[in-house]
Formats: sequence, C-alpha cells, structure tokens
Amino acid sequence: GQQVMQIPQYQHVQEGEDFTTYCNSSTTLSNIQWYKQRPGGHPVFLIQLVKSGEVKKQKRLTFQFGEAKKNSSLHITATQTTDVGTYFCAGILSSNTGKLIFGQGTTLQVKP
Amino acid sequence: DAGVTQSPTHLIKTRGQQVTLRCSPKSGHDTVSWYQQALGQGPQFIFQYYEEEERQRGNFPDRFSGHQFPNYSSELNVNALLLGDSALYLCASSPGGGRNTQYFGPGTRLTVL
Repeated sequence: GQQVMQIPQYQHVQEGEDFTTYCNSSTTLSNIQWYKQRPGGHPVFLIQLVKSGEVKKQKRLTFQFGEAKKNSSLHITATQTTDVGTYFCAGILSSNTGKLIFGQGTTLQVKP
Repeated sequence: DAGVTQSPTHLIKTRGQQVTLRCSPKSGHDTVSWYQQALGQGPQFIFQYYEEEERQRGNFPDRFSGHQFPNYSSELNVNALLLGDSALYLCASSPGGGRNTQYFGPGTRLTVL
C-alpha cells in the first residue's frame, strides 16, 4: 500500500548541534506537509511544500522537497531545547483529495 | 479566531460500548478529517467529510462512522469498542476540500478498559 517512511525514529543531540529527518514515499506526492508534536500535544502545522525541488526556510528550519516529489527533509541548524518533540512528515498523493499519509515520526531530544 | 476544537478531552469506556467524539472546525474551513494516533505512532487517516458526505475512507472497519453537520462540525462514532481502539483521536480541518493545509485540534484521548 501507499507508505511514507521516515528516518531516524529517534535522535539525541547536544544543544547547538544540527538535526535532520528524512521522509520517503513509495509513490509521487501532490504535496508534503510537516508537523511538530510536543509530548502530550497534538500535531502543529509547520509548512507545506508543493513544487518539485522546493526549498523553504523558517528561521533555523530548512525544508526540502525532492525533484521527483517522493522525498523530503527537515534540517534544524543549531538545535535548542525548545526544538524537542516529534517531527512528522505527511504526504498527499497526486490522485488523492486530502488523505494525509503520515510517516512514523522522528523524536528529537536535545541535551542542554 | 478559534482554532479546531474537540470534545471531550478525555474519555474512558469499556469494551463493547459505543462512543461519540465531536469536532468544530476552524472558522472558514469546510472539510473535516479524522485520524487515530496510537501511542508512539503517526496519525492514521480514518475518513474525511466534505459537504456533509464521507468523501474518503482509510482502512478502518465499519464500526467507525461519522457525520458532518450543515455548520461543518463533525462527529466520529465508534461502536463495539475494542481494547485496541484506545488512542488519541484527532480532528483536522481545512478549507476547500482537503488538499490544503490541515489544522489539527487538541484531540480526544480515548481509553478502552
């Protein structure tokens, strides 16, 4: 079936280090959305990528959408303790009207 | 401007019972999607409602049903509860049919004993 794989599952970093999570889809995506979920919270929308090869930045966060629209990445520069949480990618298929297919998430821990 | 709201926040039920969860979408949004998030997992799509009709469904049994009202709010019903139905149930709203950004509510934590 349609799958979105996300790696790594967990990442522990020292504050100030960089962090990257990767997302791969088995099929071409119409767009991909990234969410952050804090422990005990709900997914909070970060960004949506639509175009092939698109790169978007939000302060220390850089999001990329692959040329084939099958993979994406989120890179955080110089992590802070406030970055702690689980980051999910979620794709919408080209033939689909709005079903978000979530990756398993990457849980980031930041040691001060 | 209120975001997506859900009720109740927490719910405890026993096996075999039925439950109804409620969702009010963000102002201006006409599409509501429901997701189930088991502990340590990503949300799994249950179904989506648009114009008061179920437009798309994920791999969930018929015990899961829903409804959308003329004011775009929605309900999720689960019959004959199983232990495995224990999860966080998330509602997400979006404008224009669901292809756009989906905004999640705080969720309802359901525990089945």
